[in-house]
Amino acid sequence: DAMVIQNPRYQVTQFGKPVTLSCSQTLNHNVMYWYQQKSSQAPKLLFHYYDKDFNNEADTPDNFQSRRPNTSFCFLDIRSPGLGDAAMYLCATRDSLNTDTQYFGPGTRLTVL
Amino acid sequence: EDKVVQSPLSLVVHEGDTVTLNCSYEVTNFRSLLWYKQEKKAPTFLFMLTSSGIEKKSGRLSSILDKKELFSILNITATQTGDSAVYLCATDLYGGSQGNLIFGKGTKLSVKP
Repeated sequence: DAMVIQNPRYQVTQFGKPVTLSCSQTLNHNVMYWYQQKSSQAPKLLFHYYDKDFNNEADTPDNFQSRRPNTSFCFLDIRSPGLGDAAMYLCATRDSLNTDTQYFGPGTRLTVL
Repeated sequence: EDKVVQSPLSLVVHEGDTVTLNCSYEVTNFRSLLWYKQEKKAPTFLFMLTSSGIEKKSGRLSSILDKKELFSILNITATQTGDSAVYLCATDLYGGSQGNLIFGKGTKLSVKP
């Protein structure tokens, strides 16, 4: 089935140790998003790609970076995770030509020790 | 400032009850409003609303948009324990080439047996 896949589902890292989260999609959607969702809060947009064009939200910390090597894959790199970065990270995709609906992956829950 | 406000923030009902969840918005360049259901994982898509007064239905769930008064409601009839979740409302501001969602804080629905 076409879907949005995130790996790993759970990630534990140490304070300051770089971590990479991955997202892949079989929907062939041209837009991909990364959200951060902390406990009991709504998802917060970090950045998105429209095709290869990267769009960073103004309040996204420099500690967060992203790569999209091709249509199917998108990565979230956290260069030096802090305790405050512990959260669920959600990837979503959208076909901008046909719909406003974003389809979410299952998320990666990041724990920082 | 663009904002989406959901009410109530939490709600406890018994199985069989009917509930109405509210979402109001103040945004520029409104394009559509989306409802998501979030359990202990990523949000799953429920409805997308773009036109006023047209009810969308899916089983026991229905939703309608009022673009004049800038709000939407999500109705759930004959609630079941499986309906327990956080229901998120989001507006899509730009659509087209970009498009990102402004989320409300969600309504946490608990359905007791």
